[in-house]
Amino acid sequence: KQEVTQIPAALSVPEGENLVLNCSFTDSAIYNLQWFRQDPGKGLTSLLLIQSSQREQTSGRLNASLDKSSGRSTLYIAASQPGDSATYLCAVRFTISGGGADGLTFGKGTHLIIQP
Amino acid sequence: KAGVTQTPRYLIKTRGQQVTLSCSPISGHRSVSWYQQTPGQGLQFLFEYFSETQRNKGNFPGRFSGRQFSNSRSEMNVSTLELGDSALYLCASSIRDTYGYTFGSGTRLTVV
Repeated sequence: KQEVTQIPAALSVPEGENLVLNCSFTDSAIYNLQWFRQDPGKGLTSLLLIQSSQREQTSGRLNASLDKSSGRSTLYIAASQPGDSATYLCAVRFTISGGGADGLTFGKGTHLIIQP
Repeated sequence: KAGVTQTPRYLIKTRGQQVTLSCSPISGHRSVSWYQQTPGQGLQFLFEYFSETQRNKGNFPGRFSGRQFSNSRSEMNVSTLELGDSALYLCASSIRDTYGYTFGSGTRLTVV
């Protein structure tokens, strides 16, 4: 069974710190990987999308890396701010037979609190 | 540019009833997927439609069904509701496989 795991489940850090969120997946046959944030009671906001052939993507203070061989992705947040407080979700599209892609498989998320 | 629109935002239904949820994707997006989010199980994939055809399906019972119309709008239906169907149902659309998904705000379903 294809699974996605996120560590840690929760994280609380002071404002201004750089931090790393981890995501691991059980199958290296992935189509792409997407990081989302979810604010309480809201839908998901896409942060970064990494294709299977890419190693990393950057957007502002966010950088996501992908290592298919080890089944890992990391989300790096630089100079954290209180507005970054949210749940961060890693989602993987695994490939299926015939070369297509399955639906997203989500990790349980990392609940991040940035203390002012 | 309008985002993914889900209606209604909130629903309260009685056990045994059926419910239909609606999703309007971003203009030009032909892929629509549905997900269920619960505190215990997290986010789980229900099904995906592309050009009116179901392309993928998650591990949910047959009580959960969906369809997509020619204008790419999608509906999902849950029959014979159970208390455990209480969840946030999220719809996502994508222009093609190599692009990421954009999610709607969800429909909060409560079964009593």
